[in-house]
Amino acid sequence: AQSVSQHNHHVILSEAASLELGCNYSYGGTVNLFWYVQYPGQHLQLLLKYFSGDPLVKGIKGFEAEFIKSKFSFNLRKPSVQWSDTAEYFCAVGPSGTYKYIFGTGTRLKVLA
Amino acid sequence: GAVVSQHPSRVICKSGTSVKIECRSLDFQATTMFWYRQFPKQSLMLMATSNEGSKATYEQGVEKDKFLINHASLTLSTLTVTSAHPEDSSFYICSARVDSGGAADTQYFGPGTRLTVL
Repeated sequence: AQSVSQHNHHVILSEAASLELGCNYSYGGTVNLFWYVQYPGQHLQLLLKYFSGDPLVKGIKGFEAEFIKSKFSFNLRKPSVQWSDTAEYFCAVGPSGTYKYIFGTGTRLKVLA
Repeated sequence: GAVVSQHPSRVICKSGTSVKIECRSLDFQATTMFWYRQFPKQSLMLMATSNEGSKATYEQGVEKDKFLINHASLTLSTLTVTSAHPEDSSFYICSARVDSGGAADTQYFGPGTRLTVL
């Protein structure tokens, strides 16, 4: 069965620390990959997406993610987090040819000022 | 950008009643919308895919007679929870697909509706 794993459920960082959130998926075919962010009390917002081409994708607010096909991974990174990055982050995978997303369980990030 | 709204944002109802939740794409047309359910501290689970002008496609384990979906126009999909029970209490989120004519489609999400069944 297709699945998406986010191994870090809770992450606490101090401001200016570097961030890397893991995302691994299990699916043998071609996929589209997404990271969404949900700020407290707000709806899911798209951070970045990968469909094809350069496996290093840059998104909004200084976030980037790298698709490593051999590892079935799409990890999210930010070199220096801010207090305002406190939110929940969801990785999602959409098998090509379908419009469905499979979401990971999410990672709650808390950034200490 | 693509904006999706949901109404109401919160609803409390008595057990046995029905509740309708609306999902609208405000600045684009969406041939496909999706309904998700999010349990506390868990991920989003896809309930069904709503296609304009045709029947919704439900995921395995989702009761289609309980969760009625109607996608009557290119900007509106509704989810009706019929004969709601306390176990239906949850956070319901819709999304709409921006149709770019190929593989590069992205879903944009509404703010969600918190349903509490007493």
